Amino acid sequence: DIQMTQSPSTLSASVGDRVTITCRASQDISNWLAWYQQKPGKAPKLLIYKASSLQSGVPSRFSGSGSGTEFTLIISSLQPDDFATYYCHHYSTYPYSFGQGTKLEIK
Amino acid sequence: EVQLVQSGAEVKKPGESLKISCKGSEYSFSTYWIGWVRQMPGKGLEWMGIIYPRDSETRYSPSFQGQVSISVDKSVSTAYLQWSSLKASDTAMYYCARHTVRDGMDVWGKGTTVTVSS
Repeated sequence: DIQMTQSPSTLSASVGDRVTITCRASQDISNWLAWYQQKPGKAPKLLIYKASSLQSGVPSRFSGSGSGTEFTLIISSLQPDDFATYYCHHYSTYPYSFGQGTKLEIK
Repeated sequence: EVQLVQSGAEVKKPGESLKISCKGSEYSFSTYWIGWVRQMPGKGLEWMGIIYPRDSETRYSPSFQGQVSISVDKSVSTAYLQWSSLKASDTAMYYCARHTVRDGMDVWGKGTTVTVSS
């Protein structure tokens, strides 16, 4: 089974900062990777699919890159609404799986 | 608007059975996979399994194989997650989501809270 490892687990940042979250796969998953944002008490929301494609309606400050085993989610200029937990998710081969999450906190 | 509407919160005792539902609307339900995701209190997302309504093809995570059953009734555009004998450790929020081959999980239900307590 493919394991997804995110880093860091927690990230403290300020409004306006550029932040990078990394996700590593234990095997090559090509670009079958999605990123989700989850706020407390809410369902996850799709941000990025196929590693770098921005989901409709998602602000352009979010971007994704990578292929194979290493991926990044970048938020170019943090906004107050962005403080949440972020998950990567591979959908390359069964069983699919999520990373353990990165909690983005206000510094 | 494309929606997945999940059934309401459940409170059960250990050993009881349970079936929760996820009803799709405003899209061709049969042609999109439906996935189930567990989130235990204060924890991350766990991928449980997935079903294709058109032919009921189902895949499970090894962690959940034999512990739950995923099914579908395409005539009412509804997917189900079922337990035959609940444990306290099944206490969690359960989400369903539409899963496309290209996009990952693009539409999510609001979740069903399951509490198992004696």
